[in-house]
Amino acid sequence: DTGVSQDPRHKITKRGQNVTFRCDPISEHNRLYWYRQTLGQGPEFLTYFQNEAQLEKSRLLSDRFSAERPKGSFSTLEIQRTEQGDSAMYLCASSLVTGETQYFGPGTRLLVL
Amino acid sequence: RKEVEQDPGPFNVPEGATVAFNCTYSNSASQSFFWYRQDCRKEPKLLMSVYSSGNEDGRFTAQLNRASQYISLLIRDSKLSDSATYLCVVRDYGGATNKLIFGTGTLLAVQP
Repeated sequence: DTGVSQDPRHKITKRGQNVTFRCDPISEHNRLYWYRQTLGQGPEFLTYFQNEAQLEKSRLLSDRFSAERPKGSFSTLEIQRTEQGDSAMYLCASSLVTGETQYFGPGTRLLVL
Repeated sequence: RKEVEQDPGPFNVPEGATVAFNCTYSNSASQSFFWYRQDCRKEPKLLMSVYSSGNEDGRFTAQLNRASQYISLLIRDSKLSDSATYLCVVRDYGGATNKLIFGTGTLLAVQP
């Protein structure tokens, strides 16, 4: 499968715990995006990488959130001290620098109890 | 006001019906527009880009009215498999990040 992959697909955690999600983009794609989607809403942009550089962060990304893409390939999104309001689907997408189409991974569904 | 607004529905239509979804966007500088489809508990998938001249892909027709900042999607001869949420999407006008701005989505349920 050469699409975007995400791991884990589901995560249940207790409030206050840290969680980390991984995204593997399509191999030749330089751009990588993280979005968050809550029930009844469309996805909302969180952050963006071009290769290993994090070029933009949304105001939605509080200090408890950190994202990395150390070698310009896979990316991780960490949430520290999770809160119930963090419960959502976290979607990763990738695209070519020259292309507009973003291809989404299957998402990681997070539930904070 | 949200940057991209859609009627959330649901739209309940019988098989074979024609259904139209509308969407408005607030930023007049926006340049790129899309419709994505999202099945229940799945990721969004690109359905089609939307061009100023209007474009068609089989049973699906997309239209853009820049003056009114209005985007539409028409589905003809609805199939059961068309049941999904349809997301109206605008590319951020800033250009550098290419990030997408989504509407809340319109839920379509095609009934047998």
